[in-house]
Amino acid sequence: EVQLLESGGDLVQPGGSLRLSCAASGFTFSSYAMSWVRQAPGKGLEWVSAITGSSGSTYYADSVKGRFTISRDNSKNTLYLQMNSLRAEDTAVYYCAKEFHTTGSWDYWGQGTLVTVSS
Amino acid sequence: QSVLTQPPSVSGAPGQRVTISCTGSSSNIGAGYDVHWYLQLPGTAPKLLIYGNTNRPSGVPDRFSGSKSGTSASLAIIGLQAEDEADYYCQSFDISLSGSLFGGGTKVTVL
Repeated sequence: EVQLLESGGDLVQPGGSLRLSCAASGFTFSSYAMSWVRQAPGKGLEWVSAITGSSGSTYYADSVKGRFTISRDNSKNTLYLQMNSLRAEDTAVYYCAKEFHTTGSWDYWGQGTLVTVSS
Repeated sequence: QSVLTQPPSVSGAPGQRVTISCTGSSSNIGAGYDVHWYLQLPGTAPKLLIYGNTNRPSGVPDRFSGSKSGTSASLAIIGLQAEDEADYYCQSFDISLSGSLFGGGTKVTVL
């Protein structure tokens, strides 16, 4: 059974940093691209970042480019999102998601972890 | 602001057919990129409903169907049921953004 378990969400002050983790199990982690998608309270979904299975390529939404870094450790089956220079508008539930083969869609999602940026 | 435009809400009686539109542009849907659809119940993670414009993942009822034409796509729910009451999102890739994007979401209400 595929499982994705996010952790690391917390209350952080503006300008602060946080690292999210997503522990994956039930599939060959290194074979799949992974993404982070966020959802601000009461708002819609926003794609944040993606990384290929081999970590050869990374992609970012303009809203986080230069501040967030996606990475993965295939030996630990874990996906990360390093978030720096956090802003109030980064407040959201952050989901990690597994790409469905190479379709560009995501077939498995974690339960989400809440990041709150506030003083 | 999303560059994939969805109606904020649609509603229908049980058993009826409802459709949700997703209007994009020449840099995403019109450029040939696939459209995918997700359902999200309150407080839960999104669930993949349709991938590659028209395909249903295993376990998704055939009451859900997707289509795409030009710069738009649509999700149809045939035989609306109470458990279909949820938020629905379309998703595609945008070449000018060099990334994925979602529509703003549509809340489906079963009357």
